[in-house]
Amino acid sequence: SYVLTQPPSVSVAPGKTARITCGGNNIGSKSVHWYQQKPGQAPVLVIYYDSDRPSGIPERFSGSNSGNTATLTISRVEAGDEADYYCQVWDSSSDHVFGGGTKLTVL
Amino acid sequence: EVQLVESGGGLIQPGGSLRLSCAASGFTVSSNYMSWVRQAPGKGLEWVSVIYSGGSTYYADSVKGRFTISRDNSKNTLYLQMNSLRAEDTAVYYCASQGGASSGPYDYWGQGTLVTVSS
Repeated sequence: SYVLTQPPSVSVAPGKTARITCGGNNIGSKSVHWYQQKPGQAPVLVIYYDSDRPSGIPERFSGSNSGNTATLTISRVEAGDEADYYCQVWDSSSDHVFGGGTKLTVL
Repeated sequence: EVQLVESGGGLIQPGGSLRLSCAASGFTVSSNYMSWVRQAPGKGLEWVSVIYSGGSTYYADSVKGRFTISRDNSKNTLYLQMNSLRAEDTAVYYCASQGGASSGPYDYWGQGTLVTVSS
C-alpha cells in the first residue's frame, strides 16, 4: 500500500515561512492535494494538483512536488494559520491516501 | 452555493448497524465522485469509500464487506450503510465531493457526523 509521511509538528514564528513536507515513493509522479483543518471543523482544501490555489485561499499558500517529496509552503505566517495540515493523493493500488497530518504551531 | 449536510450518526453498540446520509445542494451528487472520509478522535483523516459518477464503488480494506456506499439520485443524497460495527469505527464521518476525477481533490466537505461504537 502507498504511504504518505508527514512530520507530526512544525513550529514557526509569526511572519516567517513554514514548510510542511509530505514524503512518498515517487510522489512527484502523482497529484498532491493539501487540506487545512482547524479544531472542530471540517477540512478545507488549500492547494490542489501540487500547486494550484482554490479561490479564497491567500497567495501566501503555495505548493511544490518533485521526486519523493511534496511541500506545502506558507509565507508570512499568521496566527490564524495554526491548524492541522494533511496531504492526499490517489494511488491506483491504495485508492485515496492521506498523510498522517502535521500540526502547525505559530509561536 | 454548494452544501453537504451529514446526518445519522449516534451511539451504537458493537455489532450494530447505522446508516449515514449526506444531503447535497448546489450540485448533483450523481455527476460527481463522492467519498466518505472518517476521523477517529484525536487522529488523522482516513478514506473509507467512494462512489464514482458511473456507479462503481470502492472501499478501504478496514471496512470492506461491512460498509456499503450508495446514492439516491432523486434525493440528491449519498449514503453509507455500516454493519457489524466495531469500536475502531468510532469517528467523525465526513462526506466529500471530488469532481470527476479519481486523482482530483476533495473540494467540498460536509460538517461531519459523529459515530460512537460502544457498549
